[in-house]
Amino acid sequence: AQRVTQPEKLLSVFKGAPVELKCNYSYSGSPELFWYVQYSRQRLQLLLRHISRESIKGFTADLNKGETSFHLKKPFAQEEDSAMYYCALTPTYKYIFGTGTRLKVLA
Amino acid sequence: DADVTQTPRNRITKTGKRIMLECSQTKGHDRMYWYRQDPGLGLRLIYYSFDVKDINKGEISDGYSVSRQAQAKFSLSLESAIPNQTALYFCATSDSRTGNAQPQHFGDGTRLSIL
Repeated sequence: AQRVTQPEKLLSVFKGAPVELKCNYSYSGSPELFWYVQYSRQRLQLLLRHISRESIKGFTADLNKGETSFHLKKPFAQEEDSAMYYCALTPTYKYIFGTGTRLKVLA
Repeated sequence: DADVTQTPRNRITKTGKRIMLECSQTKGHDRMYWYRQDPGLGLRLIYYSFDVKDINKGEISDGYSVSRQAQAKFSLSLESAIPNQTALYFCATSDSRTGNAQPQHFGDGTRLSIL
């Protein structure tokens, strides 16, 4: 079955600490993976996608096919990073979202 | 700016009422989606449409119906609302012209409370 797992509902880190939001997926083919972010009272917006291999707001994510993971990382967390983060898989034309991880960056 | 607009933003209604949530977009995208967001459950797909004549059920379509009135408009209806349909509803669009796996663009959401 196609599935996206985000094991942490809540992740709290101190400002300046490294952040890693975990995402594991289940899909037999070549996946397209995304990270979306939802700031308080705002709409979901695309943060990054794996095929772009870019860094947005200091975040990066590397697709590891062997571990079927697409973890989101940032070396130094900032308070404005506090938000809800969703990992999403799109096998073809449908999108499968994880349950999300709320990141709280503490001052 | 091209956008995805949802109306209403908030709605409180009673059990048994019929409710329509509307979504319109000026992005020129062909694909449109309806999701509901519940705490701890993430986003779950209700319905999706690839064009005006193509509508498909998602994972949680029971109790919901949709209408794609035009390429730019996709409405979600709750025929007889029940309290467990209280949730935040999102409309999203994507553009298939540049490939299947394109990012989705979301509206601001409709917060629906059913008493």
